Amino acid sequence: EPEVTQTPSHQVTQMGQEVILRCVPISNHLYFYWYRQILGQKVEFLVSFYNNEISEKSEIFDDQFSVERPDGSNFTLKIRSTKLEDSAMYFCASRSRGFPTDTQYFGPGTRLTVL
Amino acid sequence: AQSVTQLGSHVSVSEGALVLLRCNYSSSVPPYLFWYVQYPNQGLQLLLKYTTGATLVKGINGFEAEFKKSETSFHLTKPSAHMSDAAEYFCAVSLNSGGSNYKLTFGKGTLLTVNP
Repeated sequence: EPEVTQTPSHQVTQMGQEVILRCVPISNHLYFYWYRQILGQKVEFLVSFYNNEISEKSEIFDDQFSVERPDGSNFTLKIRSTKLEDSAMYFCASRSRGFPTDTQYFGPGTRLTVL
Repeated sequence: AQSVTQLGSHVSVSEGALVLLRCNYSSSVPPYLFWYVQYPNQGLQLLLKYTTGATLVKGINGFEAEFKKSETSFHLTKPSAHMSDAAEYFCAVSLNSGGSNYKLTFGKGTLLTVNP
């Protein structure tokens, strides 16, 4: 069964460093998402991406964040200068089409620890 | 804006007992509702969803949920808990926020423990 994959599973970085979280969505999917979950808090929407551009972003997704689909298969989230409060589990998700009934499929997540 | 409240961050049941995980939502328009489950070290997996039609929806692993508009609820139930049901469960609501986006808004999650 097709699945969303994410690498790495755990990333440890120093405050101020850049990190890139990688995701491989399901191959025929067209809509891509990043969510994050700070320990003990809700899973929060960060950004959605369709047709090679951001379709929506939350207030969390400031100028330190960027997303890219560089090669038609990977979908990346870059944090330019990490802060302690960026420590969280980051989930990638993908969805096949534009219908509301389409399921979002999630990857296993990348745990980001900022020291 | 929509929101989701899950009552009880931790629910503990005995094996074979009824599982009831509560979810209430707030939405200005009819929502699409979802339950996801997360097993340790795994991603979020869809259990079931309500979009339109029958208000009682059945999902995987014997779970079901009923959409009650008057109560703005979408509680998840399973008649008989199994040890393998131990996981974290997330209720989510989705609305079209433009351009067929349908981002998900999640509750805080409920950790289900099943005791032998």
